[in-house]
Amino acid sequence: GQQLNQSPQSMFIQEGEDVSMNCTSSSIFNTWLWYKQDPGEGPVLLIALYKAGELTSNGRLTAQFGTTRKDSFLNISASIPSDVGIYFCAGQLRNFGAGKSTFGDGTTLTVKP
Amino acid sequence: DAGVIQSPRHEVTEMGQEVTLRCKPISGHNSLFWYRQTMMRGLELLIYFNNNVPIDDSGMPEDRFSAKMPNASFSTLKIQPSEPRDSAVYFCASSNRGVNTEAFFGQGTRLTVV
Repeated sequence: GQQLNQSPQSMFIQEGEDVSMNCTSSSIFNTWLWYKQDPGEGPVLLIALYKAGELTSNGRLTAQFGTTRKDSFLNISASIPSDVGIYFCAGQLRNFGAGKSTFGDGTTLTVKP
Repeated sequence: DAGVIQSPRHEVTEMGQEVTLRCKPISGHNSLFWYRQTMMRGLELLIYFNNNVPIDDSGMPEDRFSAKMPNASFSTLKIQPSEPRDSAVYFCASSNRGVNTEAFFGQGTRLTVV
């Protein structure tokens, strides 16, 4: 089946710094999703990407759907302490049904004030 | 809307006991997913339903695991008999197929089998 490689596994940054993380796949996806998970909570969707080459922003977050459809990245600008959490990428093939996602292993972000 | 509601939030049980996890999806959503999260294996899809019908249960680890969705507003995931290696956080998620592909997650049930 599909496998997602998400990197880096963890990041320790200073408040105000920019963050970049990415996901690569061994196969093509039709949709890329980026989620954030806070401790004790379920993942919450940050950004959804539906077309190859698409660049989408949500506040300080920007994500891009790679042109090969096998990768995606997420950038966070001017990080703040509440950005702390685990960020997951997820890929979907639409013909397998809405919401059926393959998840990356996550990037754990720590922001030092 | 209250979002996806899971119960219980925490469950501690002894090996060999039956465990039932419950989920109420978001009203109007027609797809429901059960995921398991562990440190070793990350987030794994166990099974998903469309319009209350199981579509893909290839992620269910063993026959000890079973899931039902008797109606559009309720689903259960049952483990019988439970084993220590079943300890994990189990998430239920729902989505509205045909509208968008986003799945909304519940807060999860943390299961500990001792």
